[in-house]
Amino acid sequence: EADIYQTPRYLVIGTGKKITLECSQTMGHDKMYWYQQDPGMELHLIHYSYGVNSTEKGDLSSESTVSRIRTEHFPLTLESARPSHTSQYLCASSEGPGDYGYTFGSGTRLTVV
Amino acid sequence: AQSVTQPDIHITVSEGASLELRCNYSYGATPYLFWYVQSPGQGLQLLLKYFSGDTLVQGIKGFEAEFKRSQSSFNLRKPSVHWSDAAEYFCAVENQAGTALIFGKGTTLSVSS
Repeated sequence: EADIYQTPRYLVIGTGKKITLECSQTMGHDKMYWYQQDPGMELHLIHYSYGVNSTEKGDLSSESTVSRIRTEHFPLTLESARPSHTSQYLCASSEGPGDYGYTFGSGTRLTVV
Repeated sequence: AQSVTQPDIHITVSEGASLELRCNYSYGATPYLFWYVQSPGQGLQLLLKYFSGDTLVQGIKGFEAEFKRSQSSFNLRKPSVHWSDAAEYFCAVENQAGTALIFGKGTTLSVSS
């Protein structure tokens, strides 16, 4: 039973459109993350947050932005989608230090045409 | 820079046979290490983790992994594979800053009957 929810699961959208990928968790975790996953490649961290009003960019440069106004909600926005943004986006949350591990959502598979 | 290497891109194992998936990491201190499994169209599920203590750790679904500092390895094992184990497996290490997980490129496991 998932405690972290991502919507939509699949999205096909035209170039230039603004999109927001939703991520919500019910576990009260302070730490949340967005990873980008391409086939046959490792997951790359694009954004993370340690709590409300805290956001940081990850290792992989991304044109997306994030916000953290509420603990449970960590949406990712692309102001103008491009075909190069086609990928799977995975949201995760963590209870505490590294030894707790991460809980992942089911992902959003984005296709920009 | 820290990295995680999974040397095997794809492995096929007969049902009932044993399994070992390899993982090597680069890290100076004692790492936090993880194995995740991803079924098609799903997010990642934590199989097991290591952060200190006994170097042989038990996880869910009958998996175990052994941390070998001298070899910088954290290989995943299962004595008898079931068809439902077919999935993609990711090894990960927490980065030195403690801000996120670094993932390998994954190993795809196929199970033959």
